[in-house]
Amino acid sequence: LAKTTQPISMDSYEGQEVNITCSHNNIATNDYITWYQQFPSQGPRFIIQGYKTKVTNEVASLFIPADRKSSTLSLPRVSLSDTAVYYCLVGDGYSGGGADGLTFGKGTHLIIQP
Amino acid sequence: DVKVTQSSRYLVKRTGEKVFLECVQDMDHENMFWYRQDPGLGLRLIYFSYDVKMKEKGDIPEGYSVSREKKERFSLILESASTNQTSMYLCASNRCRGPGLACEQYFGPGTRLTVT
Repeated sequence: LAKTTQPISMDSYEGQEVNITCSHNNIATNDYITWYQQFPSQGPRFIIQGYKTKVTNEVASLFIPADRKSSTLSLPRVSLSDTAVYYCLVGDGYSGGGADGLTFGKGTHLIIQP
Repeated sequence: DVKVTQSSRYLVKRTGEKVFLECVQDMDHENMFWYRQDPGLGLRLIYFSYDVKMKEKGDIPEGYSVSREKKERFSLILESASTNQTSMYLCASNRCRGPGLACEQYFGPGTRLTVT
């Protein structure tokens, strides 16, 4: 069963900052938060991962409040090529004891307009 | 770079046929996964494997089986294909070694299977 809740779709415009929020009220102590991006006819691609506070890389930032019950993926100055589906996953990614952290929900379809 | 390859990008099969989807990864990853993706349903986990000859059911294993005879190869088998198995199939791998270690999954390009 999905452990996360995120908006089905979002619209924005080129040059804007986009924030996609994911709710994960039942996050466990060992769980990390991971975001993936998927373009049509391709497999998902890892964007960013974090445990708490803030993580930044060359593509995005991830903001995680102290209670870790939600997280926000921030995409700075989006372009048309950022149109994609974005998935939020929560878990420790260890498959030896089950599929924890391996379940993708429906994701957020982000559409960037000119 | 990690590379996950799938045997076909597009495949058309008839109802009742036995179908093999092959996946190979070149990074010596312990764990491999099969997902299917359908419009409006997102990615759903079918089966995964954390070691050679080991397999675990995911969320929707019915109608599928898997085989992992070698570490780098994970096969998805449709014993008797049906039209409701028409879908995009995605293979992935990672190198998680224990609890508490979050791991990035690497995906293949997908196989779009049509069963007629």
